[in-house]
Amino acid sequence: GESVGLHLPTLSVQEGDNSIINCAYSNSASDYFIWYKQESGKGPQFIIDIRSNMDKRQGQRVTVLLNKTVKHLSLQIAATQPGDSAVYFCAERSGTYKYIFGTGTRLKVLA
Amino acid sequence: DGGITQSPKYLFRKEGQNVTLSCEQNLNHDAMYWYRQDPGQGLRLIYYSQIVNDFQKGDIAEGYSVSREKKESFPLTVTSAQKNPTAFYLCASSKSGVGNEQFFGPGTRLTVL
Repeated sequence: GESVGLHLPTLSVQEGDNSIINCAYSNSASDYFIWYKQESGKGPQFIIDIRSNMDKRQGQRVTVLLNKTVKHLSLQIAATQPGDSAVYFCAERSGTYKYIFGTGTRLKVLA
Repeated sequence: DGGITQSPKYLFRKEGQNVTLSCEQNLNHDAMYWYRQDPGQGLRLIYYSQIVNDFQKGDIAEGYSVSREKKESFPLTVTSAQKNPTAFYLCASSKSGVGNEQFFGPGTRLTVL
């Protein structure tokens, strides 16, 4: 498989439990944020996004929380499933075509 | 099916050779991007293009070149001037405008022998 993802922080959760993945972003002027899921050897897959004028957004089994005061973003996955195992990373839009990407967190789902 | 395709999936190059990575999208997106992904690092922007016949350098453009002759296509050439080209290369596209998500291709793994 791909070597992307080496030395990443790892979150291990039991199947069926909720997962919370955190991200600290860098630019207080960033106005748009995205969470991506990346499986080994594949391109990133969009999960959910949020604009800076919101503090919470919900999707199917996923919720993103934005705390602009401390420049923190979190992704909550409800009822985590084996298929959720992947690397998750956040992205912030700090310019019209400028995105800053986090290094990612590896999520391992334990059966 | 709408989406972004990249080819080849795996590419091997000898030192001193130029190679071109293909990226095609049929999403009718104006903007296209090339990123490099290395272990333990976030994606780094190589080049981006807002519109046909226009492109801009990203954070790590040295040793790379691009062209945007068609809306659907944004090929990346890795030249011999790139000192450490072994990496996973990702192409993305997005609609123009504020807050539009980037859609990523499946990536090309380039290895220099």
